[in-house]
Amino acid sequence: DIQMTQSPSSLSASVGDRVTITCRASQDIRNDLAWYQQKPGKAPKRLIYGISNLQSGVPSRFSGSGSGTEFTLTISSLQPEDLATYYCLQHNSYPLTFGGGTKVEI
Amino acid sequence: QVHLQESGPGLAKPSQTLSLTCTVSGGSISGGRDRWTWIRQPAGKRLEWIGQILASGGTDYNPSLESRVTISADTSKNQFSLNLNSVTGADTAVYYCASRGGSSGWSFDSWGQGTLVTVSS
Repeated sequence: DIQMTQSPSSLSASVGDRVTITCRASQDIRNDLAWYQQKPGKAPKRLIYGISNLQSGVPSRFSGSGSGTEFTLTISSLQPEDLATYYCLQHNSYPLTFGGGTKVEI
Repeated sequence: QVHLQESGPGLAKPSQTLSLTCTVSGGSISGGRDRWTWIRQPAGKRLEWIGQILASGGTDYNPSLESRVTISADTSKNQFSLNLNSVTGADTAVYYCASRGGSSGWSFDSWGQGTLVTVSS
């Protein structure tokens, strides 16, 4: 299985801060990487697909980058509604695997 | 994007079978190359991919669950189902159905709301 290691597991930041979350894959997953936002009691919502493609309707303050085994989700200016847990997903090989999550507190 | 809705009992007894159904609207599970998928999330833990069924009826399962899992489809009702047998407390989780396809970059772009299943006697 491809292991997805996310860091940090939690962070606290202020409104307007730039926030960066990292996901490392245990092997090359090419561009088969997506980012999700999950709010309490809700299903995950896709933010980014194919490493850096912004999902329609998602604010432009969210962006993704990286390649191979290391990937980053950046929130350029944190907003109160960004309180959530963020997960990465690799869909390069089976079984598909998710990162352990990053809980963002404001 | 399609709409997905999970249904099924919220309680399962240890050693018995957990059964859930996902009803799909806005798209056909028997057409295209989409993957119709079950994912679960124990409280406070990461998401776990359980397995998928394709329009062809082919299936793929997580090796960690493969001996206990069956995913099937009822194309006449546009539904797909999950059966997980010999359940224990470790199978207590929120279960989601989701879909992914080539038109959406092959990651999950549509999710059901999720349904909590508790395994307890």
